[in-house]
Amino acid sequence: QVQLVQSGAEVKKPGASVKVSCKASGYTFTSYYMHWVRQAPGQGLEWMGIINPSGGSTSYAQKFQGRVTMTRDTSTSTVYMELSSLRSEDTAVYYCASDMVRSNAFDIWGQGTMVTVSS
Amino acid sequence: DIQMTQSPSSLSASVGDRVTITCQASQDISNYLNWYQQKPGKAPKLLIYDASNLETGVPSRFSGSGSGTDFTFTISSLQPEDIATYYCQQYDNLPRFTFGPGTKVDIK
Repeated sequence: QVQLVQSGAEVKKPGASVKVSCKASGYTFTSYYMHWVRQAPGQGLEWMGIINPSGGSTSYAQKFQGRVTMTRDTSTSTVYMELSSLRSEDTAVYYCASDMVRSNAFDIWGQGTMVTVSS
Repeated sequence: DIQMTQSPSSLSASVGDRVTITCQASQDISNYLNWYQQKPGKAPKLLIYDASNLETGVPSRFSGSGSGTDFTFTISSLQPEDIATYYCQQYDNLPRFTFGPGTKVDIK
């Protein structure tokens, strides 16, 4: 079945970088855009950016420009989100999500990856 | 950037009650609005797409309406399993997406 499986929880120090993976299965990886959304503890959802797994093109929310990099590996059907210069405010659950059936609606989600930034 | 507001931020209602949540966009977004349900510790789930279309498999007690800047999400008869936070999300200025701040629904 269609699923997105993310990498495990991470603990990082301020100033470090984190790279979260999202492995897709059950569908043609290059056919659907992938998004990253994060959620700080007790807070709402925040869209971070989008990657086209086919060509690798990306677009990022202005808030994360210069700090986030989204990439993909078509050989393993995996997308990656790397966030640099981490600060405590980046402590959050990071989700990958795709709009496979409903255009521009996130109808499939990964399970989430908790990233904790703490000294 | 398009800003989204939701009201109320939280509500308590009894089982069987009709629950209504509103979402307002800072500019006209046509019907480019989706609604999600998120239960604690879980990823969000798409309920309504394009403002008023029920996602496959979602109970018919959920509905959405509106266009332009004002949108409404309704649970016609609240059930215990509906306890969650509900978010609206706009996609008018692609590839930018914006979520509303959320509405937490509890049982009274």
